[in-house]
Amino acid sequence: SAVISQKPSRDICQRGTSLTIQCQVDSQVTMMFWYRQQPGQSLTLIATANQGSEATYESGFVIDKFPISRPNLTFSTLTVSNMSPEDSSIYLCSVHLDSSSYEQYFGPGTRLTVT
Amino acid sequence: GNSVTQMEGPVTLSEEAFLTINCTYTATGYPSLFWYVQYPGEGLQLLLKATKADDKGSNKGFEATYRKETTSFHLEKGSVQVSDSAVYFCALSDQPGGYQKVTFGTGTKLQVIP
Repeated sequence: SAVISQKPSRDICQRGTSLTIQCQVDSQVTMMFWYRQQPGQSLTLIATANQGSEATYESGFVIDKFPISRPNLTFSTLTVSNMSPEDSSIYLCSVHLDSSSYEQYFGPGTRLTVT
Repeated sequence: GNSVTQMEGPVTLSEEAFLTINCTYTATGYPSLFWYVQYPGEGLQLLLKATKADDKGSNKGFEATYRKETTSFHLEKGSVQVSDSAVYFCALSDQPGGYQKVTFGTGTKLQVIP
């Protein structure tokens, strides 16, 4: 199993500013994922982050808006840039321990409100 | 593309009542199916899974059967407890081993009252 922590757990930010969310895992993992959960909606994958390579973004998400860092096998950050109220969501990171396992482990999420 | 549709909540039940949360899916291949649960203030946890047609996943008294003919994966529990109050997400993955691109439903909030 994996234990994942995220910082901050919640924040209220002004439009036009940026927020960096941190994700820490208690074991080394190859693949980390960042999701967004907008109010009343399902989880949407933003990007997949592999250590040592550029993140792979899903349709509708771009690096300029959501830059991701993956400096090592236990840590990643997601930045939400130039925020607008539409970015108000819960942001979750998750990991996949190995290709033989179906399970993804999720962090507790960061609740972001943009005013 | 892939999609998951689950019944809207919130669902409110009395303790010891029978629970069904409906989930249907659309997928181009042969997906693996999952139920995740999110307790208040916590991250999502895998509750159960099924990887092929007619498989039954089970855990903590919850069950769901992979029905290819009806493209469904309904979650059931015979007797719910207050501690089952949470948000339940149906999900699918179309990659072997469930690797990448998990598609989630919108979640169903369950509230169990004593």
